[in-house]
Amino acid sequence: AQSVTQLDSQVPVFEEAPVELRCNYSSSVSVYLFWYVQYPNQGLQLLLKYLSGSTLVKGINGFEAEFNKSQTSFHLRKPSVHISDTAEYFCAVRNQGAQKLVFGQGTRLTINP
Amino acid sequence: DGGITQSPKYLFRKEGQNVTLSCEQNLNHDAMYWYRQDPGQGLRLIYYSQIVNDFQKGDIAEGYSVSREKKESFPLTVTSAQKNPTAFYLCASSMTGSNQPQHFGDGTRLSIL
Repeated sequence: AQSVTQLDSQVPVFEEAPVELRCNYSSSVSVYLFWYVQYPNQGLQLLLKYLSGSTLVKGINGFEAEFNKSQTSFHLRKPSVHISDTAEYFCAVRNQGAQKLVFGQGTRLTINP
Repeated sequence: DGGITQSPKYLFRKEGQNVTLSCEQNLNHDAMYWYRQDPGQGLRLIYYSQIVNDFQKGDIAEGYSVSREKKESFPLTVTSAQKNPTAFYLCASSMTGSNQPQHFGDGTRLSIL
């Protein structure tokens, strides 16, 4: 069965420090991968997506993610975070040809001044 | 601007009462989805619809019902059979195709009086 694991439920970092949010998935077929951000009491906003091609994808707000097929990972990174990046981040995966999008449990990113 | 509108933002339900959450989109998307979000559990799929007058159960459909009479609208009814309805409910839509990202509304928070 398809599943997504976000390895850290909470990640505290200092402002202007780099951050990596980890995501691993399991699937027996090819997949599409997504990262979403959720600010308090709001819906989810798409940060970036991997569909095919280059394994390094760039998204909004300076975030990027790298698809690693051999390690079944899709970690999210930002070289320098800001207070405004404080939010919850969700990794999601969908098997090619499937309709369901499977979400990880989320990682709460807290930026300290 | 195109988007997804969920209403109301906050909703209170009495014991034994059915309530209906509204979701409207003007993105011309064929597919629509309902998710339930609980703290620490990510998003879980309740129902989805790929076309008007057709919908499928998701992973946690018990105690919920939907209709899809118009392309733009996908209301969710939380019935009295749902014993633990307190949660944040998110509606999403997308174009057809498993490589298409989902776009989310701002959610409805349902509480029990």
